[in-house]
Amino acid sequence: AAGVIQSPRHLIKEKRETATLKCYPIPRHDTVYWYQQGPGQDPQFLISFYEKMQSDKGSIPDRFSAQQFSDYHSELNMSSLELGDSALYFCASSQRDREETQYFGPGTRLLVL
Amino acid sequence: QKEVEQDPGPLSVPEGAIVSLNCTYSNSAFQYFMWYRQYSRKGPELLMYTYSSGNKEDGRFTAQVDKSSKYISLFIRDSQPSDSATYLCAMMIKAAGNKLTFGGGTRVLVKP
Repeated sequence: AAGVIQSPRHLIKEKRETATLKCYPIPRHDTVYWYQQGPGQDPQFLISFYEKMQSDKGSIPDRFSAQQFSDYHSELNMSSLELGDSALYFCASSQRDREETQYFGPGTRLLVL
Repeated sequence: QKEVEQDPGPLSVPEGAIVSLNCTYSNSAFQYFMWYRQYSRKGPELLMYTYSSGNKEDGRFTAQVDKSSKYISLFIRDSQPSDSATYLCAMMIKAAGNKLTFGGGTRVLVKP
């Protein structure tokens, strides 16, 4: 079965640089969620989208922005990167009205030097 | 104080034993309860979700919810070395953003 696709899988950036993470949800899934997982921590919710509209926002820094496109894929844009942004970034997707079944992608490992 | 608490472990059991995992929570508004399995450096994999108090079984896995005590459990029967992973409980309030709130995860090691 098709799963959530994330790219790139690994990313190394310098402080103050910009990064763009991409997420392609499972086919027919219209809702996308972004989570950040720091070393040894549980995933923390950042932001979610349904039908290209932001549906909820968590502890996402103002330096980060995200959007969902007409084909339901989503991009997380991160600017002025800081060392503390180094983490695993997961995208999850679900169908509307089946939000209790969120399926996670393999993640993008971001390292900020 | 985290909304969802989970013993970090590690929990070490011999192959074939029953693994017992649990989480407690403070927010009585949580409606859905999930269990995810996460292997090192991989994405969380949804194992089970439940809505109501009681038990739900799926193969070797049984999820239990006690809303009156704000306590959920996951039991893994006939554990295998391949079950060695971190198990995360997660909870959600439907239609309140549908974001998942995770426990810290319990690391499980099943020894052959």
